[in-house]
Amino acid sequence: EPEVTQTPSHQVTQMGQEVILRCVPISNHLYFYWYRQILGQKVEFLVSFYNNEISEKSEIFDDQFSVERPDGSNFTLKIRSTKLEDSAMYFCASSVLQLEAFFGQGTRLTVV
Amino acid sequence: AQSVTQPDIHITVSEGASLELRCNYSYGATPYLFWYVQSPGQGLQLLLKYFSGDTLVQGIKGFEAEFKRSQSSFNLRKPSVHWSDAAEYFCAVGARGNNAGNMLTFGGGTRLMVKP
Repeated sequence: EPEVTQTPSHQVTQMGQEVILRCVPISNHLYFYWYRQILGQKVEFLVSFYNNEISEKSEIFDDQFSVERPDGSNFTLKIRSTKLEDSAMYFCASSVLQLEAFFGQGTRLTVV
Repeated sequence: AQSVTQPDIHITVSEGASLELRCNYSYGATPYLFWYVQSPGQGLQLLLKYFSGDTLVQGIKGFEAEFKRSQSSFNLRKPSVHWSDAAEYFCAVGARGNNAGNMLTFGGGTRLMVKP
């Protein structure tokens, strides 16, 4: 069964460092998303990406964040200068138009 | 703006007992509705979805949910809970008609514990 895969599963980084979280969405999907879940809090939408551009973003997704689809299979989230409050589980998801989103297993980011 | 409320943070049921997890949403029209499950250390797995049509929807693992427009609810049910159902359950709403596909707004989750 096709699935969304995310790497790494856990990343520890020092405050101020740049991190790149990687995702391989399901191959025939057209919409790609990043969500995050701070420990003990709700899953929150960050950004959606369609047709090689951001189609929607939340207020969380500020200039420190960027997304890219560098080739036909990967979808990445970059955080330029990490802060302690960026520590969270980051989920990648993909969907075909307005159908259900399939989520990856997540990357746990710990900023120290 | 859409929002989702899951009033129960924790629920404990005995194995074999029935289960109902509550979900209330706020949205100006009929939304897309979803239930996801997250087992410890795992990602979010889709249990079921409502888009239109029959208001009682069936999902995986024996779960079902009923959309009640008049109550703005989408409660999740299972007639007989198994120990493996212990997990966190998230209700989510997706807006129709925007360019973001189904950008989801999640509830706070309900943690289900199952007693032997």
